[in-house]
Amino acid sequence: DAGVTQSPTHLIKTRGQQVTLRCSPKSGHDTVSWYQQALGQGPQFIFQYYEEEERQRGNFPDRFSGHQFPNYSSELNVNALLLGDSALYLCASSFGARGLEKLFFGSGTQLSVL
Amino acid sequence: GDSVTQMEGPVTLSEEAFLTINCTYTATGYPSLFWYVQYPGEGLQLLLKATKADDKGSNKGFEATYRKETTSFHLEKGSVQVSDSAVYFCALRQTGTASKLTFGTGTRLQVTL
Repeated sequence: DAGVTQSPTHLIKTRGQQVTLRCSPKSGHDTVSWYQQALGQGPQFIFQYYEEEERQRGNFPDRFSGHQFPNYSSELNVNALLLGDSALYLCASSFGARGLEKLFFGSGTQLSVL
Repeated sequence: GDSVTQMEGPVTLSEEAFLTINCTYTATGYPSLFWYVQYPGEGLQLLLKATKADDKGSNKGFEATYRKETTSFHLEKGSVQVSDSAVYFCALRQTGTASKLTFGTGTRLQVTL
């Protein structure tokens, strides 16, 4: 049983570019959340997707957007990249939007913005 | 807003030593509390949790007790192993906020022979 898978594992972009990160949830899970983990910091919640809709959002600007597909996989899009967007982006999946079930995290995508 | 404060690392211990990693939180109401562990190159893994005051979470020899009076959730283990070397994150989740976890900054543990 594959866990949460994220792609790509590493990515290098330049300021002003746009980036798309992808996540496939663990089998049987229908809810996906995204987190940003800057170097030496704890993860920060970006948003949660359930039933193809954004259900909750953290304190991130509109440059951060997402999508969930009918097969429950998800994308995170970041527009107009800034140097400060360099971080490890983590995807987490669970069953049900209420958060009562355990979250499973992927290994992340390391984004470097030059 | 909600916040979690962890002790600074790294924490360096010899194998079989006693471990304590301090965690305190600021939050309204009655959040659930968690410890996650991150091994090198891997995603976060749930280590243990507690959902109400005086609950004790435990797993793999690690324990933490939800202390509402001191707003703390300190992680302890009686005898650490080299394989416990990792970064440990304390986190909280408010009731009704689904998968929105608020994390501390993490504490790196290094266990040597």
